[in-house]
Amino acid sequence: GQNIDQPTEMTATEGAIVQINCTYQTSGFNGLFWYQQHAGEAPTFLSYNVLDGLEEKGRFSSFLSRSKGYSYLLLKELQMKDSASYLCAALDSNYQLIWGAGTKLIIKP
Amino acid sequence: ETGVTQTPRHLVMGMTNKKSLKCEQHLGHNAMYWYKQSAKKPLELMFVYSLEERVENNSVPSRFSPECPNSSHLFLHLHTLQPEDSALYLCASSQDVTGVDEQYFGPGTRLTVT
Repeated sequence: GQNIDQPTEMTATEGAIVQINCTYQTSGFNGLFWYQQHAGEAPTFLSYNVLDGLEEKGRFSSFLSRSKGYSYLLLKELQMKDSASYLCAALDSNYQLIWGAGTKLIIKP
Repeated sequence: ETGVTQTPRHLVMGMTNKKSLKCEQHLGHNAMYWYKQSAKKPLELMFVYSLEERVENNSVPSRFSPECPNSSHLFLHLHTLQPEDSALYLCASSQDVTGVDEQYFGPGTRLTVT
């Protein structure tokens, strides 16, 4: 079956760096998405990776290793507003999105 | 209005009621989606429409009935729901259904079935 695994919850300190991991098992692969969802709000797009490597976008970076079925989202210089759930989703061979359950990130002062 | 809007934001209904959720996108997109989001579970794709035609129906119970009158509007008609249907229902849109386009989500309707 198809599956996405990511930690349920993580805690980090304001100003620090945190890495949220995601492993995927899909029938074929056409890329991986990260979305951010604040409590009670809509998910919003953060990144899309289809090639191996690191893509940086301001304080957020996303990494992909296709051979390992692995991605991570790296958040630097954490701010309180980064407290949210981070959703990982992989695109399978049929271009269907397979979603993870999300990682709730708690930022402490 | 910009982006994707959903009404109502909150809905409480009994198991014998009939209600409808509404979604509207102001982005000129061709694809629209309904998702169910339950606590600590992955997003469940319910329906996908491309240019008003349904292209995906992931074995959703018939008590959920979608309608897409045009590429900007999407409805989810609800009838004789069960308590386990209580969840956040999210609408999303994307430029096309190719999958590689980012999806833009509405704020969701928090549904409680009593």
